[in-house]
Amino acid sequence: GDSVTQMEGPVTLSEEAFLTINCTYTATGYPSLFWYVQYPGEGLQLLLKATKADDKGSNKGFEATYRKETTSFHLEKGSVQVSDSAVYFCALSDITGNQFYFGTGTSLTVIP
Amino acid sequence: NAGVMQNPRHLVRRRGQEARLRCSPMKGHSHVYWYRQLPEEGLKFMVYLQKENIIDESGMPKERFSAEFPKEGPSILRIQQVVRGDSAAYFCASSLLAGGTDTQYFGPGTRLTVL
Repeated sequence: GDSVTQMEGPVTLSEEAFLTINCTYTATGYPSLFWYVQYPGEGLQLLLKATKADDKGSNKGFEATYRKETTSFHLEKGSVQVSDSAVYFCALSDITGNQFYFGTGTSLTVIP
Repeated sequence: NAGVMQNPRHLVRRRGQEARLRCSPMKGHSHVYWYRQLPEEGLKFMVYLQKENIIDESGMPKERFSAEFPKEGPSILRIQQVVRGDSAAYFCASSLLAGGTDTQYFGPGTRLTVL
């Protein structure tokens, strides 16, 4: 069945460091791929998405490219800030669109 | 445009009681999804509803759990005879369209604690 495998955390970085959070997926057909961010005590917020192969989603300095050949959607940011501290979830939408499959989440802490 | 609303934000129940969680989707959205997040885990799909219809309930436990999305009013996730293992954060999401490319917008969640 469909699934998402996400890099385990927690991840701790210094401010202005480069961030990569790996995400790979298994799916039938061509799913849409998403990154969501969850701040403490809050619900998930969409960070970015890509709906077809080679699409690049980007938002707030974060970006991820839909790589069909490697079934990956790695999240990157060139220079993280303290305010980026949160839990990041990779997700895919199955071909029916009925449900999303989420990774287990990667906790990021950015220290000044 | 208000986002997805969930209430209550926090709910405490004793074992054996019923829990009712409410979700009002974004204005104009007719597709609602419920997810459960256990401590230190990702979100797990429970059920997908459109107005008055359950489309996919493959993630719902077979017993004690039910969901509805009536023609008028919010979607309700009902858990009967709660047990400690039901303690979790329950998130509702809504989308404008069905299908895989549309974004699901999430509410702030209801954190259920079963004593």
